[in-house]
Amino acid sequence: RKEVEQDPGPFNVPEGATVAFNCTYSNSASQSFFWYRQDCRKEPKLLMSVYSSGNEDGRFTAQLNRASQYISLLIRDSKLSDSATYLCVVNGGSGGSNYKLTFGKGTLLTVNP
Amino acid sequence: DAGVTQSPTHLIKTRGQQVTLRCSPKSGHDTVSWYQQALGQGPQFIFQYYEEEERQRGNFPDRFSGHQFPNYSSELNVNALLLGDSALYLCASSFGPTIYFGEGSWLTVV
Repeated sequence: RKEVEQDPGPFNVPEGATVAFNCTYSNSASQSFFWYRQDCRKEPKLLMSVYSSGNEDGRFTAQLNRASQYISLLIRDSKLSDSATYLCVVNGGSGGSNYKLTFGKGTLLTVNP
Repeated sequence: DAGVTQSPTHLIKTRGQQVTLRCSPKSGHDTVSWYQQALGQGPQFIFQYYEEEERQRGNFPDRFSGHQFPNYSSELNVNALLLGDSALYLCASSFGPTIYFGEGSWLTVV
């Protein structure tokens, strides 16, 4: 089983749509969770951290379910500028290390006019 | 305040050659990690340096080695290049929990 697994995508949605990304992780000892955004041929950039209580940043909502080892990201009222690859990221991979980020494969989102 | 800077941005090497990639961390950051991102994949952790020592290593062969200097900058060396080493190599620096990525070095092995 992969350490971090995401919806394979790609997702193609119209402007204004709501889109949800799902992710599962295998190491129950993982400690921190994030969503990163990566534009084509650019470096990953932190979109938001994910907390058990759920957190919201404008149109973006992230949720963590530790019992199910499941992470989600919801984008409401999607914009053309949201088109990118969304990476699910876990800190504290195999062996419970705090030192490395473990990335999912990423899910490509294209928002169409 | 400069962020994480990497060099070179693009390079082409031949199979069997050796390559050195360089990274200057964000000011004040003492920890440098290296990641390899192949096309269509998420970044994969190679190793991390702290206080000039390799603190942890991912699942990469010994052909991948690194170094951290007293000013916290770092190098990634790859020997005996294979076609499969073609990827974006990302450097990330951190001080505590916040991590910043550089723009990466695109390596093509032909």
